[in-house]
Amino acid sequence: DTGVSQNPRHKITKRGQNVTFRCDPISEHNRLYWYRQTLGQGPEFLTYFQNEAQLEKSRLLSDRFSAERPKGSFSTLEIQRTEQGDSAMYLCASSPHQGIYGYTFGSGTRLTVV
Amino acid sequence: GQQVMQIPQYQHVQEGEDFTTYCNSSTTLSNIQWYKQRPGGHPVFLIQLVKSGEVKKQKRLTFQFGEAKKNSSLHITATQTTDVGTYFCAGGGGGTSYGKLTFGQGTILTVHP
Repeated sequence: DTGVSQNPRHKITKRGQNVTFRCDPISEHNRLYWYRQTLGQGPEFLTYFQNEAQLEKSRLLSDRFSAERPKGSFSTLEIQRTEQGDSAMYLCASSPHQGIYGYTFGSGTRLTVV
Repeated sequence: GQQVMQIPQYQHVQEGEDFTTYCNSSTTLSNIQWYKQRPGGHPVFLIQLVKSGEVKKQKRLTFQFGEAKKNSSLHITATQTTDVGTYFCAGGGGGTSYGKLTFGQGTILTVHP
């Protein structure tokens, strides 16, 4: 494993379209997190998984956002009916299950909604 | 919900000067972590602090966790141009949010040679 992998690196989409991002965590990491970051701000929590179970979802997240981790390995984040306000860097991170560990972030997917 | 605030938002220093950023949480934290994000990059984990009053050092970087586990600081001695970037603190909650981190807005450090 070389780290957390995210695809695509960049996505430009028209308003109203659906987009899906993929994250491949470090293989031995049970926990997977999705964050969103806009310019000049810290990462904002979206949701996280322990294995395939989605343990928490931000109340700030509208119903247009959904995330899955079907086999406890890779995860997808889908945004339906994109809006210009969805433009941001979407970061995925993973960490081991036991104890308190730092996150390993991927390079992110930059979404631009035009 | 939990809020984590950082000050200052920006810090410009001359190379060789010291730098400190402060982090405050609205709630008691289970742990605090620090990350560095270079321009155009992603956050990279630096360190975690768990115990009340804990102090850890990494070369020129000193990290502290407050006695009440609600505040923290990062101090860099004799900054170098390689220290440029945004430094984030991130607080860990308790209960079902044990593994989730809430990030501060970051302190952008600029180092002038």
